[in-house]
Amino acid sequence: DTEVTQTPKHLVMGMTNKKSLKCEQHMGHRAMYWYKQKAKKPPELMFVYSYEKLSINESVPSRFSPECPNSSLLNLHLHALQPEDSALYLCASSQPGRTGELFFGEGSRLTVL
Amino acid sequence: SQQGEEDPQALSIQEGENATMNCSYKTSINNLQWYRQNSGRGLVHLILIRSNEREKHSGRLRVTLDTSKKSSSLLITASRAADTASYFCATGSRGSQGNLIFGKGTKLSVKP
Repeated sequence: DTEVTQTPKHLVMGMTNKKSLKCEQHMGHRAMYWYKQKAKKPPELMFVYSYEKLSINESVPSRFSPECPNSSLLNLHLHALQPEDSALYLCASSQPGRTGELFFGEGSRLTVL
Repeated sequence: SQQGEEDPQALSIQEGENATMNCSYKTSINNLQWYRQNSGRGLVHLILIRSNEREKHSGRLRVTLDTSKKSSSLLITASRAADTASYFCATGSRGSQGNLIFGKGTKLSVKP
């Protein structure tokens, strides 16, 4: 069982919808990440939060909006997505500042119609 | 951007055989990690080897690192059907603020 919990597990949305993906961890980690993974591809880094501040944005389109309300929660707000944004969205956490082990959630499978 | 390149892209073996996967990378690293992903699931950390280490063991896993060649290998001994998964190497570069860059992965199939 993973200690990083992601909801929902599956999400289907239209291109005009607004939805959010949620991630929660209670390991005391102060770095949290969003990765995007297309089928048969490796995870690609989207955002990094360190001590609740956005530290890395890998040139992600503004239709993806991350939010870190506190040290345990990470959200990804979705608006006006395109069908090509359909993917598995993975949340991870770690101790910040050191490239140590990442703890991943099981992912949210997003389908944009 | 991708840092690591694994080979082979796919590997099919019989239960009980050993599986070897290789990873090459491009820049200086703090460490190299291997992760496993069952189909459509999250990634699970397997092992981390630091840039000043050459070999590391964990159970049936053996990882080697050659920083002069910028390459690493993951050996799974006495494979089991439950080892069927995709395996990714991931590198953390110096000054990278803790984020990892993943390679393309090797899809391992272990037949009973």
